[in-house]
Amino acid sequence: GAVVSQHPSRVICKSGTSVKIECRSLDFQATTMFWYRQFPKQSLMLMATSNEGSKATYEQGVEKDKFLINHASLTLSTLTVTSAHPEDSSFYICSAADSNQPQHFGDGTRLSIL
Amino acid sequence: AQSVSQHNHHVILSEAASLELGCNYSYGGTVNLFWYVQYPGQHLQLLLKYFSGDPLVKGIKGFEAEFIKSKFSFNLRKPSVQWSDTAEYFCAVGNAGNNRKLIWGLGTSLAVNP
Repeated sequence: GAVVSQHPSRVICKSGTSVKIECRSLDFQATTMFWYRQFPKQSLMLMATSNEGSKATYEQGVEKDKFLINHASLTLSTLTVTSAHPEDSSFYICSAADSNQPQHFGDGTRLSIL
Repeated sequence: AQSVSQHNHHVILSEAASLELGCNYSYGGTVNLFWYVQYPGQHLQLLLKYFSGDPLVKGIKGFEAEFIKSKFSFNLRKPSVQWSDTAEYFCAVGNAGNNRKLIWGLGTSLAVNP
């Protein structure tokens, strides 16, 4: 089945650091990638939808300057958390989809800001 | 407003017990429906999906779900659970013409005691 690789799986860094998370679709071309944030014991919160070659669409309340998304190719999207602070600590998950198929999810990235 | 409601937040069962997890949605238009599962320490995986046709959908690992349009429901069932079914289960709804954006339920935590 489709595989989505997300890297790194865990990041621990100091406040003020910028962190980049990569999401790759390994065996299919992902026209759309999604970035989610998951809080403990809660559902996924969609942060943004990213279409290859165009600007990401951010959900209400998500700061686009804080969470930079780049979707430069059909197999790679990146999320950069700029000047991260402790409140940005969370579990970030990407998913990828092509045409009308279900989303396939990465393993997630546990981000801890000290 | 579009929403997905999962009625059971925490379910505890013994092995061999039957399982039914409720999912109701509020969504205009034709929908596609999904159940995803997240095993401890793993990424989200698609359990089953409904796009059209037979409203009784069979998924992996013996799970099934029934789409009842009149009740706006898509309940997940399994006749006999196993300890390995311990996981978080998420119901999600998408527009039939655009699976790219899903509305997610809050999830149900299932614990199966051996």
